[in-house]
Amino acid sequence: AQSVTQLGSHVSVSEGALVLLRCNYSSSVPPYLFWYVQYPNQGLQLLLKYTTGATLVKGINGFEAEFKKSETSFHLTKPSAHMSDAAEYFCAVRGAGNMLTFGGGTRLMVKP
Amino acid sequence: DGGITQSPKYLFRKEGQNVTLSCEQNLNHDAMYWYRQDPGQGLRLIYYSQIVNDFQKGDIAEGYSVSREKKESFPLTVTSAQKNPTAFYLCASSISGQGVEEQYFGPGTRLTVT
Repeated sequence: AQSVTQLGSHVSVSEGALVLLRCNYSSSVPPYLFWYVQYPNQGLQLLLKYTTGATLVKGINGFEAEFKKSETSFHLTKPSAHMSDAAEYFCAVRGAGNMLTFGGGTRLMVKP
Repeated sequence: DGGITQSPKYLFRKEGQNVTLSCEQNLNHDAMYWYRQDPGQGLRLIYYSQIVNDFQKGDIAEGYSVSREKKESFPLTVTSAQKNPTAFYLCASSISGQGVEEQYFGPGTRLTVT
């Protein structure tokens, strides 16, 4: 079985500041990891994914994430927050059975 | 444009009534999924289907039913047996349900039962 923990259900940053959204996972098999973004009353959009290979993954809108096996983490970062980044972010792991397990989500607020 | 459509966007029902949520995709994907989203709980898998005429229960299937008669369509029925049906429902699809491909999501249906 797999699980995902997102530390911090709400994160607030100032425009231009670093964004760091935390994700820790557990998986009984080598994981595939995903970050999705959801804007209000909309579906989820893929930001980036890690499958194999390079542990630093770059995604859309300037986001990136680093897979750290020793820490079972896949934290999402962006060097400089923009107002349009305000949304809810979900980390997900695909483990045994090919099903996605989602974290509880982190709502990012960006202050002007 | 290829994508996933869900209708309606907002749905209101009285307690005790069954209601069916529509999900259609024109991506030619084999696999389709239904998730329920509640505040602070992320997404939880209700049902999934990896091929036409076949589907499996997810983590919270009780009180729900599905059908997969066509590749493009995967409707979800919320029955009166579902104790707390008010939620945001998301449909998704992926190429095959295998491997590392991502899931593509529809815009969701917000169901309110009173």
